[in-house]
Amino acid sequence: ETAVFQTPNYHVTQVGNEVSFNCKQTLGHDTMYWYKQDSKKLLKIMFSYNNKQLIVNETVPRRFSPQSSDKAHLNLRIKSVEPEDSAVYLCASSRRDWGYEQYFGPGTRLTVL
Amino acid sequence: GDSVTQTEGLVTLTEGLPVMLNCTYQTAYSTFLFWYVQHLNEAPKLLLKSSTDNKRTEHQGFHATLHKSSSSFHLQKSSAQLSDSALYYCALNRGNYAQGLTFGLGTRVSVFP
Repeated sequence: ETAVFQTPNYHVTQVGNEVSFNCKQTLGHDTMYWYKQDSKKLLKIMFSYNNKQLIVNETVPRRFSPQSSDKAHLNLRIKSVEPEDSAVYLCASSRRDWGYEQYFGPGTRLTVL
Repeated sequence: GDSVTQTEGLVTLTEGLPVMLNCTYQTAYSTFLFWYVQHLNEAPKLLLKSSTDNKRTEHQGFHATLHKSSSSFHLQKSSAQLSDSALYYCALNRGNYAQGLTFGLGTRVSVFP
């Protein structure tokens, strides 16, 4: 099956802990992204990653960092979670071509207590 | 910066009636416009996309026409089905894949029998 896969589906943690989420795509795409979907369903780009070039949304706090081993994988690490990090984190991938649609994974729901 | 404005909040309608969700955008760049649909607890999925002025694009009974003169890309369907109940996002990509997508706030559609 070709798709975007994310693990875990859910994660509950305490303030100050470190968490890491995984994303893998089997679509043969060369660009991957992380988006944050907050409690009001607002979707915002956090990172895009292509050929070792990382583009960071300037509003993303430094405690967030993407980690990639190859073009099919882009993980997300949060160094010390805050309550406002509670959200659904969506991974996506696309070809590099302009206008090519992005394919999304099902998301990881993070709850910070 | 880029922005997308959609019909706000919740749209409720009766099965069989037409659906129209408004989308307008602002950008200084060339654009691709997209409509994504997200059913409950699922990944956002591409519904429509366009970059061609005044050309109607159709998929799964939905259609939209990009009008660059009015910066609009409204989504329409002639007859709503119960399965159309979902969250709909209008989004733009401004010609640089690395920027990701800029999403509107989303419109929730609930279709009742």
